[in-house]
Amino acid sequence: VQLVESGGGLVQPGGSLRLSCAASEFTFSSYWMHWVRQAPGKGLVWVSRIKTDGSSVSYADSVKGRFTISRDNAKNTLYLQMNSLRAEDTALYYCVRDSGITDTTLDYWGQGTLVTVSS
Amino acid sequence: SYELTQPPSVSVSAGQTAIITCSGDKLRNKYACWYQQKPGQSPVLVIYQNSKRPSGIPERFSGSNSGNTATLTISGTQAKDEADYYCQTWDSSNVVFGGGTKLTVL
Repeated sequence: VQLVESGGGLVQPGGSLRLSCAASEFTFSSYWMHWVRQAPGKGLVWVSRIKTDGSSVSYADSVKGRFTISRDNAKNTLYLQMNSLRAEDTALYYCVRDSGITDTTLDYWGQGTLVTVSS
Repeated sequence: SYELTQPPSVSVSAGQTAIITCSGDKLRNKYACWYQQKPGQSPVLVIYQNSKRPSGIPERFSGSNSGNTATLTISGTQAKDEADYYCQTWDSSNVVFGGGTKLTVL
């Protein structure tokens, strides 16, 4: 299983970024996927999840209305569109696979892509 | 919103047993997972469904969940087990993480 995030960088407050996660070595279309973030020196915070076919999504309250999760199963790629970015969105963003075992079990994590929101 | 509470830090002497707790309302009615994160690395799943170990995770890692508390136990703790540990569960369509516990091996 490989998960490779990209798209992070420095953005001004109020700006936008689109993160991507290229998945390989497993049947991407069969798994729910998540984004989890970690601010520098802080703990893990769940951001969003998406069902196998994209028909169901959910978000943490802190990003609802600003972030949009999506996927392209033909390209084996997960996305996170981030709009109206704030300083508190600064974090390392992980792309994570949900194993499909009862409830949520996050069995594979990417290396993360760093998003810095600053003027 | 649902919350999971972990002690910020736990210390253990090498070779001894480390116990890390995770408390949440009626947690016994949910499944808990545990992740290990070493400095500069991505988290690794070490326990799922309260007490199951993924392949490749040493037998010294075990878990339980009863009452309002899930517990991660590391028997015969080794220096390489020094890391941050996070519990996680699921509530009302949201994934919830505990605040994390820094395990120091003396």
